Amino acid sequence: QLQLQESGPGLVKPSETLSLTCTVPGGSISSRSYYWGWIRQSPGKGLEWIGSIYYSGSTYYNPSLKSRVTMSGDTSKNQFSLKLSSVTAADTAVYYCVRQGWTNRFDPWGQGTLVTVSS
Amino acid sequence: QSALTQPPSASGSPGQSVTISCTGTSSDVGGYNYVSWYQQHPGKAPKLMIYEVTKRPSGVPDRFSGSKSGNTASLTVSGLQAEDEADYYCSSYAGSNNLGVFGGGTKLTVL
Repeated sequence: QLQLQESGPGLVKPSETLSLTCTVPGGSISSRSYYWGWIRQSPGKGLEWIGSIYYSGSTYYNPSLKSRVTMSGDTSKNQFSLKLSSVTAADTAVYYCVRQGWTNRFDPWGQGTLVTVSS
Repeated sequence: QSALTQPPSASGSPGQSVTISCTGTSSDVGGYNYVSWYQQHPGKAPKLMIYEVTKRPSGVPDRFSGSKSGNTASLTVSGLQAEDEADYYCSSYAGSNNLGVFGGGTKLTVL
């Protein structure tokens, strides 16, 4: 069964850039059948789609975060990454990486990683 | 404020049925048959329960079913069991510039 694993710092200072990587062992981010995305969940809150990347390198971002988000992929390592710039306390959340089907099907999800923005 | 509107809570007794609604607009729920539903237990990652409005992934009990009418999608859980107590989120495709919008979530309590 496909598994996704997030990695990156758990603490980021305000105004700095949050950087996370998702590794997909046993899968291929080169697949034309899927996007690879990031979703976050602030403490006690709901889910928010951040953005997705396609095998071609095309990226799709949540309009509300677009100015601060950059996603990239490394097919040689079967990894994709998220960078979120100029973070504030409002960006404190559990960040999930996820495989996204063409029809808005998010499955499977990584276990999630908590990123806290604090000085 | 979430793009899709869900009731914050729902409840039912074991064996009963409960339906959770998810209201959007003609630009998301109403415009595409690409609504999905996720179950999340505390401290766990969400789990896909329904996709493309009505389809169940392998392994999801047939007690879970989905439907849509106009701009509102619904998740029905029949024959409620204690393990169904969780948060449920809907999601919809919203166009090529917004691949995924979510509802605010509904906390389902099994009484």
